[in-house]
Amino acid sequence: DTGVSQDPRHKITKRGQNVTFRCDPISEHNRLYWYRQTLGQGPEFLTYFQNEAQLEKSRLLSDRFSAERPKGSFSTLEIQRTEQGDSAMYLCASSLDLWRAGELFFGEGSRLTVL
Amino acid sequence: QQQVKQSPQSLIVQKGGIPIINCAYENTAFDYFPWYQQFPGKGPALLIAIRPDVSEKKEGRFTISFNKSAKQFSLHIMDSQPGDSATYFCAAVRGAGSYQLTFGKGTKLSVIP
Repeated sequence: DTGVSQDPRHKITKRGQNVTFRCDPISEHNRLYWYRQTLGQGPEFLTYFQNEAQLEKSRLLSDRFSAERPKGSFSTLEIQRTEQGDSAMYLCASSLDLWRAGELFFGEGSRLTVL
Repeated sequence: QQQVKQSPQSLIVQKGGIPIINCAYENTAFDYFPWYQQFPGKGPALLIAIRPDVSEKKEGRFTISFNKSAKQFSLHIMDSQPGDSATYFCAAVRGAGSYQLTFGKGTKLSVIP
């Protein structure tokens, strides 16, 4: 499978716990993005990496959220002290340098439920 | 503030019909407008995209019409099929080095046989 892989696909946690999601982009893609999608809404941008550098962050990305992309390969998104409002689908996407901004290849997402 | 407004929220057409989904934007700095298709349980998939200096773009049964002066653009699906039943999102990205996509709220399309 050469698509964008996300793990876990589903996560149920209690409020206050920390969770971490992993994204493995398409191997030759050097751009990686995180988006959040709630029911009935379009995806909302969270952050963007070019190789290992985090170049854009949304104001939606509060201090409880942190994303990393060590060595410019896989990425992790950690949410600390989860709140019920964090319940959403967390989507990872990747793209090539040669593609235009806005042309992304999305994974199937990691669904978070905070009880 | 919603920067890309999409309508309608849902749409039901018969097979062979031509559903039309409309979007309007506010930020004149947007310089690329992709459409994404999303099936239940899947991530969005890029369908077709247009630059603001082009008034129309066709790819297969999908056509984007773009009106720069009105800041509006729309997706038409010719000869729609039940397999086109999905949620469609318009989106916009600002140039000048930004890679942040701003999505509309989506249109759930149902094509009935």
